[in-house]
Amino acid sequence: AQTVTQSQPEMSVQEAETVTLSCTYDTSESDYYLFWYKQPPSRQMILVIRQEAYKQQNATENRFSVNFQKAAKSFSLKISDSQLGDAAMYFCAYRLIQGAQKLVFGQGTRLTINP
Amino acid sequence: DSGVTQTPKHLITATGQRVTLRCSPRSGDLSVYWYQQSLDQGLQFLIQYYNGEERAKGNILERFSAQQFPDLHSELNLSSLELGDSALYFCASSRTGGAGAVGEAFFGQGTRLTVV
Repeated sequence: AQTVTQSQPEMSVQEAETVTLSCTYDTSESDYYLFWYKQPPSRQMILVIRQEAYKQQNATENRFSVNFQKAAKSFSLKISDSQLGDAAMYFCAYRLIQGAQKLVFGQGTRLTINP
Repeated sequence: DSGVTQTPKHLITATGQRVTLRCSPRSGDLSVYWYQQSLDQGLQFLIQYYNGEERAKGNILERFSAQQFPDLHSELNLSSLELGDSALYFCASSRTGGAGAVGEAFFGQGTRLTVV
């Protein structure tokens, strides 16, 4: 079974600084997607960034980028120039490309931004 | 706004009761997924429907059931409710549900269920 682990229950960063959230996963499959979702206090689940496992290039979306290490089964999220609006729970998630499309989530990391 | 609509936003009910949660997917999305988010279990996949048919099942209790209607909206029925069923229930939808589907899932705002 696939599992996703986020080893940092909480992280904090100063506004305008850079922070990296860690995620590791376990799978025997070779084709899959990885996601980072953000859940602000409004509870809405918002997709931040997506990475296809077959792509070697790391995904980037504005201030958000990932470091995808397939062999190590690691998928970290880097947030540059942190803003107060980035404060939220961040969930790492995994999904197969073939077969079941369910998302498998990590336990989440609560990110606090200090002004 | 993700385009996925869930009603109601909040629900308070007593143990032993039955409730129905409703989800309207984004226009054109054929797949609907239900997830449960509780404090100690994180986000857990319950069930997926694709174009009216059950596609995948997670750790969904026998007291829970779901269906997807011809207009593609979905309902999650929870019966014989227990205190431990208190959670945030999310619905998500995606463009396709078949093998090799690329579309990511878009989430509704969730229904907060409190069982007292």
